Amino acid sequence: GQNIDQPTEMTATEGAIVQINCTYQTSGFNGLFWYQQHAGEAPTFLSYNVLDGLEEKGRFSSFLSRSKGYSYLLLKELQMKDSASYLCAVTDSNYQLIWGAGTKLIIKP
Amino acid sequence: IAGITQAPTSQILAAGRRMTLRCTQDMRHNAMYWYRQDLGLGLRLIHYSNTAGTTGKGEVPDGYSVSRANTDDFPLTLASAVPSQTSVYFCASSEAEGTDTQYFGPGTRLTVL
Repeated sequence: GQNIDQPTEMTATEGAIVQINCTYQTSGFNGLFWYQQHAGEAPTFLSYNVLDGLEEKGRFSSFLSRSKGYSYLLLKELQMKDSASYLCAVTDSNYQLIWGAGTKLIIKP
Repeated sequence: IAGITQAPTSQILAAGRRMTLRCTQDMRHNAMYWYRQDLGLGLRLIHYSNTAGTTGKGEVPDGYSVSRANTDDFPLTLASAVPSQTSVYFCASSEAEGTDTQYFGPGTRLTVL
């Protein structure tokens, strides 16, 4: 079966750095997405990785290792507004998006 | 409008009733999707459409139907609602199917009693 694993919940301090991990086992791989979802709102696109390595976009970076079936989202200089759920999703061999259950990130002052 | 709109925002429905959730996008995207999101579970694909006039079944299609008469609209119909269909429903679109980024509507919160 297809599976995406993320921690259910993480807590971090304002101004700090946090790394949210995602491991996947899917039938094929055609890219990995990270989305942010604030409570009661729609998911919004953060990043896309299809090749190994690090993609940096401001305070957010995303890393991919296809051989390990592993990705992480790195958030720097945490702000209270970063409190949200972070969803990892993989495009499989049929070009369907398989979603993880999401990681709820709680930021404390 | 810009982006994707969904209606209604929320709805309480008696079991056995028919309900259509509406979704409209103005980005001229070819592909559209319907997901449900339940606590503790990832987004699950109900149905999708890669282009106007075509539809396909996702992971959890039973009890739902869709149509894609034109590029902009992708309604989701529950023919006879059951309590297990209580969920938040998101419509999404992408320029093309596959690896293109999906953009989401604001969601419809549906409660079936």
